[in-house]
Amino acid sequence: AQTVTQSQPEMSVQEAETVTLSCTYDTSESDYYLFWYKQPPSRQMILVIRQEAYKQQNATENRFSVNFQKAAKSFSLKISDSQLGDAAMYFCAYRSAGGTSYGKLTFGQGTILTVHP
Amino acid sequence: EAQVTQNPRYLITVTGKKLTVTCSQNMNHEYMSWYRQDPGLGLRQIYYSMNVEVTDKGDVPEGYKVSRKEKRNFPLILESPSPNQTSLYFCASSLEGAGRNIQYFGAGTRLSVL
Repeated sequence: AQTVTQSQPEMSVQEAETVTLSCTYDTSESDYYLFWYKQPPSRQMILVIRQEAYKQQNATENRFSVNFQKAAKSFSLKISDSQLGDAAMYFCAYRSAGGTSYGKLTFGQGTILTVHP
Repeated sequence: EAQVTQNPRYLITVTGKKLTVTCSQNMNHEYMSWYRQDPGLGLRQIYYSMNVEVTDKGDVPEGYKVSRKEKRNFPLILESPSPNQTSLYFCASSLEGAGRNIQYFGAGTRLSVL
């Protein structure tokens, strides 16, 4: 079974600074998807960024980028020029791309990000 | 507007009283899934469905049932709720295929079982 670990329960950053959230995962599969989701106080789950394991290039979405290290099974999220609206709980998630686990999605425990003005 | 709709948003019930949380999507998505969110545990998958009449267990299926008779609907049924099922529940859906698999989430259902 796949596992996803977010080792930082809480992180904080000053507005306009850069912060990196860590995520590691354990799998024996070679093809899969990785995601970062944001959950603000409204509880709504919002997709931040998505990475396909077969792509070596790291995904980027505006101020959000990932450092995907497939061999190390690491998938960290970097938020540049942090804004007050970035304050939220962030979840890392893994999804199989095929095989008997296709469709299963596993989340990490979450990291609460606080942004200080 | 493309969306995933869950009802009810809040529910308080008593142990053993059967309940159903509905989930509907208007995006013609093949994949639908239910999760529960508990502090310190993140979201855990309860059941998922790859298409109509195709469902499978996630990581925490005990005490829950689902059905997928229509593509747009994926209700979550608690036949005999217990206090340990008090949680925040999310439904999600996605298109399937390469380059897709991005899940759209409902707004969540806060369930309290007394």
